[in-house]
Amino acid sequence: GENVEQHPSTLSVQEGDSAVIKCTYSDSASNYFPWYKQELGKRPQLIIDIRSNVGEKKDQRIAVTLNKTAKHFSLHITETQPEDSAVYFCAATEGYSTLTFGKGTMLLVSP
Amino acid sequence: DAGVIQSPRHEVTEMGQEVTLRCKPISGHNSLFWYRQTMMRGLELLIYFNNNVPIDDSGMPEDRFSAKMPNASFSTLKIQPSEPRDSAVYFCASSLGPTNTEAFFGQGTRLTVV
Repeated sequence: GENVEQHPSTLSVQEGDSAVIKCTYSDSASNYFPWYKQELGKRPQLIIDIRSNVGEKKDQRIAVTLNKTAKHFSLHITETQPEDSAVYFCAATEGYSTLTFGKGTMLLVSP
Repeated sequence: DAGVIQSPRHEVTEMGQEVTLRCKPISGHNSLFWYRQTMMRGLELLIYFNNNVPIDDSGMPEDRFSAKMPNASFSTLKIQPSEPRDSAVYFCASSLGPTNTEAFFGQGTRLTVV
């Protein structure tokens, strides 16, 4: 089955800096890669996703890149704000089984 | 739609007691998932249903755990007997399809077994 590794486990940045979270996956057939954000005590919520026919996708301050050859994908947050502080999860699926989640990255943005 | 609704939000129970967690998925969603979240293991898929039928229960830890989906608008996750190591946040999620589509999570049930 699919295996998703996520790094780093914790990330501290200053407000205004950029943050990058990286994930690798094992199944070359995977074709859907969502990112979820979970604020403290809240539910995970989808913030952006990318499919394998696209190399990059951007939505305001967040972007996701996908390298199918290397089997890794990354979340980029620019101009970070304190409200970006949360746990971020990457996930992957090949479309026949359910999502496999990474272990999560706790992002702390200091004012 | 109010989203995925779980109850209770918090549950404290004594070891050995039966615990039942409840979930109402978003109307029209065909797939329902139960996840367990802990600091050590992250988000683990316990079981998922498609059109009310259990498709993959390989994540269910042991026979003490069981899940049902009697109709499209209701599911339960039962632990009997409960143990302290079952303490976690349990999330229910639903989606239009089992894969390649956004999963909408409920608020979760924080279970503490003492």
